[in-house]
Amino acid sequence: DTEVTQTPKHLVMGMTNKKSLKCEQHMGHRAMYWYKQKAKKPPELMFVYSYEKLSINESVPSRFSPECPNSSLLNLHLHALQPEDSALYLCASSQDSWTGGGETQYFGPGTRLLVL
Amino acid sequence: GIQVEQSPPDLILQEGANSTLRCNFSDSVNNLQWFHQNPWGQLINLFYIPSGTKQNGRLSATTVATERYSLLYISSSQTTDSGVYFCAVGNYGQNFVFGPGTRLSVLP
Repeated sequence: DTEVTQTPKHLVMGMTNKKSLKCEQHMGHRAMYWYKQKAKKPPELMFVYSYEKLSINESVPSRFSPECPNSSLLNLHLHALQPEDSALYLCASSQDSWTGGGETQYFGPGTRLLVL
Repeated sequence: GIQVEQSPPDLILQEGANSTLRCNFSDSVNNLQWFHQNPWGQLINLFYIPSGTKQNGRLSATTVATERYSLLYISSSQTTDSGVYFCAVGNYGQNFVFGPGTRLSVLP
């Protein structure tokens, strides 16, 4: 089973709202990732968790707050977002700890976020 | 960081035609993956191929690591092959980087 699940599939929120995106994998993977993808652009890395610890934060604004409660679950908490944050948010996982690229990454279906 | 280029940016094919997509990268890599992103946004793993040649049905891929390029071959294309094809690369100490993609449209 190479499945990564994400909820919700779609999310509409106002600029003053607080919401969370959820990602789950049951493949025993130890690295999990958040990517942001704008329309007609490739995915861009936001955060990497390795063994439940934040390894990489690609200069993401503090209105995005990641959390890794356990090895199977990854959350992205959203607060005071801007309309330009509207995008597809993709979660991924890979088997081993983050060593910088040497692992196959498996992606979830994404959450389409619209900020009004 | 590693730079990734893909060509062509757009490709329109008639059903049944063959095609070759190219990915060039600027530095040595220990990870190279090809993905197909369907119209609903799902990124589907096609190949993990940092070097060598692999085949899966109508798809095959070749990476020549010493010359820093990879090719994805699609034979007998079908309308369901439409979407965006991404090449993504990584190396130790560097992030996983996606190329800009090739947008493929297969017409019936």
